Amino acid sequence: DAKTTQPNSMESNEEEPVHLPCNHSTISGTDYIHWYRQLPSQGPEYVIHGLTSNVNNRMASLAIAEDRKSSTLILHRATLRDAAVYYCILRGGNAGNMLTFGGGTRLMVKP
Amino acid sequence: KAGVTQTPRYLIKTRGQQVTLSCSPISGHRSVSWYQQTPGQGLQFLFEYFSETQRNKGNFPGRFSGRQFSNSRSEMNVSTLELGDSALYLCASSLGVFGNQPQHFGDGTRLSIL
Repeated sequence: DAKTTQPNSMESNEEEPVHLPCNHSTISGTDYIHWYRQLPSQGPEYVIHGLTSNVNNRMASLAIAEDRKSSTLILHRATLRDAAVYYCILRGGNAGNMLTFGGGTRLMVKP
Repeated sequence: KAGVTQTPRYLIKTRGQQVTLSCSPISGHRSVSWYQQTPGQGLQFLFEYFSETQRNKGNFPGRFSGRQFSNSRSEMNVSTLELGDSALYLCASSLGVFGNQPQHFGDGTRLSIL
């Protein structure tokens, strides 16, 4: 599986936007970019995914670089509940459901 | 819509025993995957089932096994428990096996080995 690189931690102020970066320079043409987050004492939670175009849903937006070698998860207005570890994961189009988790980015939100 | 349900939530066992963990996927989901999470190794893939067939297996010893039933419910079994098996075991379900289908996780079973 292609690897992803994320910063270990980031800090944000409550009610401000947060941009979480992810590098995936070895991504293949059929890899989807998925984001999950894990809040304390919970299982990972699906956030968003995309292939080539930017995506929006009720939780977040995903901005994908034109060459697809990087992407950014955007939380438009951080809340204390958004404090979690965020994982950027690549999944092949027909590769099954084996997710390879890296270390993720620990997001801290200050009130 | 009910989410992924894992039972039990907590379990304490001693070395040498065996344990069975259960996972009920979201209704209509046919794929179930299992993961182990420890502070040292993070989240690691154990195995994946689709329509009662194991599709992928992670790098774990044969003491770790699983199965999926015709109603998509899944169980995983760990035999001859070791101290290092203490972990949070997570189950995830998905509609299918394609890369554009998200996985939905349960809150896990926390297994402690004494």
